[in-house]
Amino acid sequence: DAGVIQSPRHEVTEMGQEVTLRCKPISGHDYLFWYRQTMMRGLELLIYFNNNVPIDDSGMPEDRFSAKMPNASFSTLKIQPSEPRDSAVYFCASSLASGSYSEQFFGPGTRLTVL
Amino acid sequence: DQQVKQNSPSLSVQEGRISILNCDYTNSMFDYFLWYKKYPAEGPTFLISISSIKDKNEDGRFTVFLNKSAKHLSLHIVPSQPGDSAVYFCAAMDTGRRALTFGSGTRLQVQP
Repeated sequence: DAGVIQSPRHEVTEMGQEVTLRCKPISGHDYLFWYRQTMMRGLELLIYFNNNVPIDDSGMPEDRFSAKMPNASFSTLKIQPSEPRDSAVYFCASSLASGSYSEQFFGPGTRLTVL
Repeated sequence: DQQVKQNSPSLSVQEGRISILNCDYTNSMFDYFLWYKKYPAEGPTFLISISSIKDKNEDGRFTVFLNKSAKHLSLHIVPSQPGDSAVYFCAAMDTGRRALTFGSGTRLQVQP
């Protein structure tokens, strides 16, 4: 399996522009997570889906952020409009729903820079 | 409010010696704990985990210890190797919720 795939790997944009980050989870995984890593806050959960349904979006910083999972093999995280404080590395992860826990497999991340 | 804390931002050890990374948590709802390892420009990769019903789990050179009463866990790496140099994240899960809460990470450097 190719693992979790994220695109683009790097994104540089100007303040006010719309940014869309993409994620393809590992085939067969039931859960999909979006995390953000910043120097100030470390790795924090933004939102997660189970079987394509958003379960917990309490970590989404504000209405400028939105996430969708139209099918089991694709998810997007959109920022509109983007601001310099959104600059971070955004990780997507997926996992199986087996048992009471499951290891999460992370993608390589998208490094976003908002100028 | 940091629910998972790694108070040592960095640790340096000699090759062949033991590395001990520490982690504290505050949320009593956490019942599963994991350690992830991260190299630059890569996503975190799972290393080892432990359920709250256990106090020790071992996998090769890696052992995780859990002290529930102290809300403390630690990762021991014996013997340490230069390839272990990376950032190590402690993570905790309320298995009813699934999502991970991460610590801030400890950068381990193993000197040859």
